[in-house]
Amino acid sequence: GAVVSQHPSWVICKSGTSVKIECRSLDFQATTMFWYRQFPKQSLMLMATSNEGSKATYEQGVEKDKFLINHASLTLSTLTVTSAHPEDSSFYICSASLRQESYGYTFGSGTRLTVV
Amino acid sequence: GQQVMQIPQYQHVQEGEDFTTYCNSSTTLSNIQWYKQRPGGHPVFLIQLVKSGEVKKQKRLTFQFGEAKKNSSLHITATQTTDVGTYFCAPGTAGNTGKLIFGQGTTLQVKP
Repeated sequence: GAVVSQHPSWVICKSGTSVKIECRSLDFQATTMFWYRQFPKQSLMLMATSNEGSKATYEQGVEKDKFLINHASLTLSTLTVTSAHPEDSSFYICSASLRQESYGYTFGSGTRLTVV
Repeated sequence: GQQVMQIPQYQHVQEGEDFTTYCNSSTTLSNIQWYKQRPGGHPVFLIQLVKSGEVKKQKRLTFQFGEAKKNSSLHITATQTTDVGTYFCAPGTAGNTGKLIFGQGTTLQVKP
């Protein structure tokens, strides 16, 4: 199967600090990973595509300096929320694809960020 | 990525009743994927439909892909409380290499 591990599951931070979220593919290599944000009772909004060894591709309206993405290896992508503010509080989820029809995309368990 | 519209947004049913959610696109899709997200959880892949008119079943769940590959549906027969959650459709790309853009989702509540 395809397993994606995401840490931490939840984090509380103070305004102005930065928070790093890790996303690991445990049993497969992922040249591409995806980062989503989800507000309560809403759908998942794609933030960016993380590309191993190159710059991430951000969706329109997503601040790349605010949400730093690093994909330094084939099994790890990180999302850093810089200078966090309360409006950044949300559920962040990463995903990757095994690139096989029967598996679809596998999602991490998500990180609930609360900025106080 | 391609956009899809999902209806209804919410559905409350009595346990044992059937449930259907619809996913519609204005353009022809390469494939369509369905995911389920339990409350407080993350999306879990259910199925991918690729062929025109395709119908796939998973126990009480029936997935259909329209003949024109512009719409899809998920039907649950005799709902159970374990079916509670939000069901999302998302157009996929060939080989599952591209980004996945989700529909708005249909949240299902099942009253015991």
